[in-house]
Amino acid sequence: DVKVTQSSRYLVKRTGEKVFLECVQDMDHENMFWYRQDPGLGLRLIYFSYDVKMKEKGDIPEGYSVSREKKERFSLILESASTNQTSMYLCASSGVGGASEAFFGQGTRLTVV
Amino acid sequence: GNSVTQMEGPVTLSEEAFLTINCTYTATGYPSLFWYVQYPGEGLQLLLKATKADDKGSNKGFEATYRKETTSFHLEKGSVQVSDSAVYFCALSDWSGTYKYIFGTGTRLKVLA
Repeated sequence: DVKVTQSSRYLVKRTGEKVFLECVQDMDHENMFWYRQDPGLGLRLIYFSYDVKMKEKGDIPEGYSVSREKKERFSLILESASTNQTSMYLCASSGVGGASEAFFGQGTRLTVV
Repeated sequence: GNSVTQMEGPVTLSEEAFLTINCTYTATGYPSLFWYVQYPGEGLQLLLKATKADDKGSNKGFEATYRKETTSFHLEKGSVQVSDSAVYFCALSDWSGTYKYIFGTGTRLKVLA
């Protein structure tokens, strides 16, 4: 069964902490994505990566960075967590080609206090 | 830019009622279209997809037809069950150099026994 696995289901962090969210996929997919999900706003793209060490900003990259050192792993980094980054974070991966669907992890609910 | 608009929820139906969730899109080119479902506390799962005009995607009794003339991809099911209660997201794949996905804001469906 194909899988995208996020390292934590729930996280509570303090304001100003550096936070790492990890995502691993076992499908040998080229593309990986980080979204945040907030009520009434749907899914908003933070960053995506189409190859190892390659990354592109999405719609809301401010306050975030990413790392992709290996094909199967895509990390989201909150450099200095703030309360407005409290949200559900979803990682996804896909193959190449517009007909390919995205596969999602189970999500990480991050609370910044 | 490309975008997806779907009807606001929540939608509340009785078991065995007919379901329609409207989705329209704006896109240059020829995107693929998707419906995803999110059950409480989980990530998104692909429900169905269509990759070209007039294609019909179907799965688990749900259907949607890619209508290029009306730029729509409405989700339908003839008889809903309590277990269909979830949030439904319409999405398109956006080719602008690299593939990414654009999601609607989601429609919450609640089915009452």
